[in-house]
Parts: sequence; structure tokens; C-alpha cells
Amino acid sequence: QSVLTQPPSASGTPGQKVTISCSASGSNIGSKIVSWYQQLPGTAPKVLIYSNNQRPSGVPDRFSGSRSGTSASLAISGLQSEDEADYYCAAWDDSLIGQEIFGGGTKLTVL
Amino acid sequence: EVQLVQSGAEVKKPGESLKISCKGSGFDFTNYWIGWVRQMPGKGLEWMGIIYPRDSDTRYSPSFQGQVTISADKSISTAYLQWSSLQASDTAMYYCARRPSLVAVAGNYFDYWGQGTLVTVSS
Repeated sequence: QSVLTQPPSASGTPGQKVTISCSASGSNIGSKIVSWYQQLPGTAPKVLIYSNNQRPSGVPDRFSGSRSGTSASLAISGLQSEDEADYYCAAWDDSLIGQEIFGGGTKLTVL
Repeated sequence: EVQLVQSGAEVKKPGESLKISCKGSGFDFTNYWIGWVRQMPGKGLEWMGIIYPRDSDTRYSPSFQGQVTISADKSISTAYLQWSSLQASDTAMYYCARRPSLVAVAGNYFDYWGQGTLVTVSS
């Protein structure tokens, strides 16, 4: 089973660009469908990116996703205070019965 | 408007049983998978399992197989997560979420989430 590893924390100042990585061990993330979820404090998660780099309607284009080899990344440009949240990558693992594997999450602080 | 509305917070004692619910509205409940995700206090997200209400096809994470039961009643657009004997380690927030597909690249993600049900197990 794959394990997705994210940095536990990240930070940036308003207006900066921040990138959060998600690396896979035990498999090639390049062959998996990656999603990114944002969880604001005290709320349910919300999808930011699906199918590696697609944004649902309503998600600002400041958020972008990419995937390459054994890692995926979420980039947030023009950082805003309201972006302070936990961010989770997720990848579909169809090696057994099929399940979503979540990364451990990255807490983003806007300084 | 698509909504998933979960049942309210629960406080239970170890050994007790519990069934929490997730009611969908604003979409055809039988055309989507409904999954359950656990979030223990201060921790990350964990996939528990998922059900397709149209035919009750259910898949469990190996970590939760045998520990919980996922079911659905398509006639009332409601999915359930239940325990037969709770433990203190089941204390967590539980989210239900809708997933358009498990195979299609474009739909294999949770697109709508419930508000969460906090389950506290304490003697």
C-alpha cells in the first residue's frame, strides 16, 4: 500500500507563492489520480484540485496542482490570510480493493 | 443544491453501539458513491470505506474492515456508519462525502462533504 508524505507545516507571507509537496513511497504517484483538499479550521474538508490538476468551479485559479514521477505538488500563489488551513493530498490506490490514501496533511500558516 | 447532512454529535460509553447517518439531497443518491472518513482529534484524514446505494456495493479500508459497518437506505437517500461495540479509540469526527466514481479519472474524488459528526466515547 502506498504512503503519501507531506511536510507537516508550511508558511508564507501575503502575496507570496507557496508549494506543498506530496511524495509517494511504495509506488509511482505518476500513475495515480491525485486530489488536494483544504480544511479550514473547524470545518469539513473541501476539494481544491482533482484529477491531478483540475479545479472545481468556484476554486480560485491561485490554486494549482501538478504531478511528476514520485511526487505531486499544490501551489498557492498570491497567498491570502484566508488560505491558512490544513491541506491534504490524496491518491486513489487501486492495488487491492481500491481506496483513497490521504497524506498526513500540511498546516499552512500565513504570517 | 447538493447537501449531505449528518446526524448530531454523540457521547457514548465503551461497549455501546452506535449508528450515525448522512442524508443526501439535491442529487440522485443512487448515482453516487458515499464514503466515510475519520479524523481523530488533532490528526489527519483516514478513508474508512464507501458504498454505492443503488446496489449496496460496499468497500472497506483494510484498517476498518470488521470494525464498522457501512450501509445505505436508498429510499430515503441516507447512508449509515455503525459500530457494535465502541471503544475510546473511536473518539473522532466522522465525515461522509460524495464521490462520483471510483474508476473515471474525472470523477474519482470527494466532491461534496457532510458537516461531520463528532463521536465521543468515554466512561
